[in-house]
Amino acid sequence: DAKTTQPPSMDCAEGRAANLPCNHSTISGNEYVYWYRQIHSQGPQYIIHGLKNNETNEMASLIITEDRKSSTLILPHATLRDTAVYYCIAENYGGSQGNLIFGKGTKLSVKP
Amino acid sequence: DAGITQSPRHKVTETGTPVTLRCHQTENHRYMYWYRQDPGHGLRLIHYSYGVKDTDKGEVSDGYSVSRSKTEDFLLTLESATSSQTSVYFCAISEPDRGREETQYFGPGTRLLVL
Repeated sequence: DAKTTQPPSMDCAEGRAANLPCNHSTISGNEYVYWYRQIHSQGPQYIIHGLKNNETNEMASLIITEDRKSSTLILPHATLRDTAVYYCIAENYGGSQGNLIFGKGTKLSVKP
Repeated sequence: DAGITQSPRHKVTETGTPVTLRCHQTENHRYMYWYRQDPGHGLRLIHYSYGVKDTDKGEVSDGYSVSRSKTEDFLLTLESATSSQTSVYFCAISEPDRGREETQYFGPGTRLLVL
C-alpha cells in the first residue's frame, strides 16, 4: 500500500501558488519523497524528489518538514496546463510492488 | 522527453490471442519497468528488468511475460489475452545510483482493449 496521504482534490486560481500537501509519517530515514504528476491520458511526469533538505527546480519546490513526516509541493505560479493529478510517493525500497507505489494522488484543478 | 517510446499506442484484440507491447529507450538506462493503470488501482508494477536478460516479477505479473534481449528494448507479452487485461500500460526507465533505483521516467502509454 502507498505510504502517503494526500487530499483527493484541490483548486487553485491561475497565477497563484499551488501548495499540495502530503503526509508520509511512516517513511524510513533513507527513503526519498518523490512527486509526479499525470495529465489526462499521458504518462506520469517526474517533478522533483528530496530526502531531507528542501529542493527546487524549474518546475516546482519541495518543502520537507524537519521530522520528515510531511512535505509540500509548491507550484509558484500555477497555469491552466498544471491541471493534473499529483502523486506524492514515499520510496518503498525492495518488494514486488516496486520502489514507487502510486496512490490516488491529488487532483489539482487550476481555474482562470 | 526522456527518450521513451511505446508501440503500439492503441490496440484492440480478442480474448485468447497473444499480444506483445514494445518499449524502446534511447537513454541507455539499465532499469526498465512495465506498469498497468486501472481506475481505482493507480499504477501497479507488472515486471521489471535490471539489465539485458535480467528480469523479475512485480506485484501483478500473472498472465504476463517479458523479455529484454538488448538494452534499448523491453517487451511485454500477454500470452493469452483476457478481458481483465484491458488497461493502459506504461513503460518506465531509470538509472540506478549507489545501487538503488533512481528516478523513473515514463513513456506515453499503450491503451489495450481486450474484447
